[in-house]
Amino acid sequence: QKEVEQNSGPLSVPEGAIASLNCTYSDRGSQSFFWYRQYSGKSPELIMFIYSNGDKEDGRFTAQLNKASQYVSLLIRDSQPSDSATYLCAVNMGGFNKLIFGTGTRLQVFP
Amino acid sequence: GAGVSQSPRYKVAKRGQDVALRCDPISGHVSLFWYQQALGQGPEFLTYFQNEAQLDKSGLPSDRFFAERPEGSVSTLKIQRTQQEDSAVYLCASTWGQGTGQPQHFGDGTRLSIL
Repeated sequence: QKEVEQNSGPLSVPEGAIASLNCTYSDRGSQSFFWYRQYSGKSPELIMFIYSNGDKEDGRFTAQLNKASQYVSLLIRDSQPSDSATYLCAVNMGGFNKLIFGTGTRLQVFP
Repeated sequence: GAGVSQSPRYKVAKRGQDVALRCDPISGHVSLFWYQQALGQGPEFLTYFQNEAQLDKSGLPSDRFFAERPEGSVSTLKIQRTQQEDSAVYLCASTWGQGTGQPQHFGDGTRLSIL
């Protein structure tokens, strides 16, 4: 079992729809969770982080965390073609500073 | 500068050559991380510095990989006797503090190609 798992996609959604990206992790003691967006040929860009169970909203983005289910998700409302990118889920595990990344989910938003 | 700066952006080397990759973190950031990202994969942790101290090097794939941060600011990742499997993007990230859970901000990376 991978430490951080994501569906590789592609996830295709029409412009204006809600895109839902999911991530599961193996270490029940994990405390910090991050979502990065990565455009092709570019470096990862931090878009959200969440530490507590529940929802955290920032503009069109909502991160959701359920520690009991070891599940974190990212919702993108009113998806735009410019949101088309790979979304990486990352977790601090076991009290360590390093991030463990999933392989990323490729999102395609079509007009 | 405002962000993490890495150089060179692209590096092509022949198999067996040594390479050095530079990372200049955000000013004042205490923690510095190196990651390796293969095509189609997420970044994988290589090593971590807190100021000049290398606290975790568990991700370095072999003894050909060496990193340093002698004055607690700029860091260099050196790869000796490069192999084709070293071809990847090398990413550097920094955070202002030393605790866990702080968001890491990445540089643009160095794309290394070994011929």
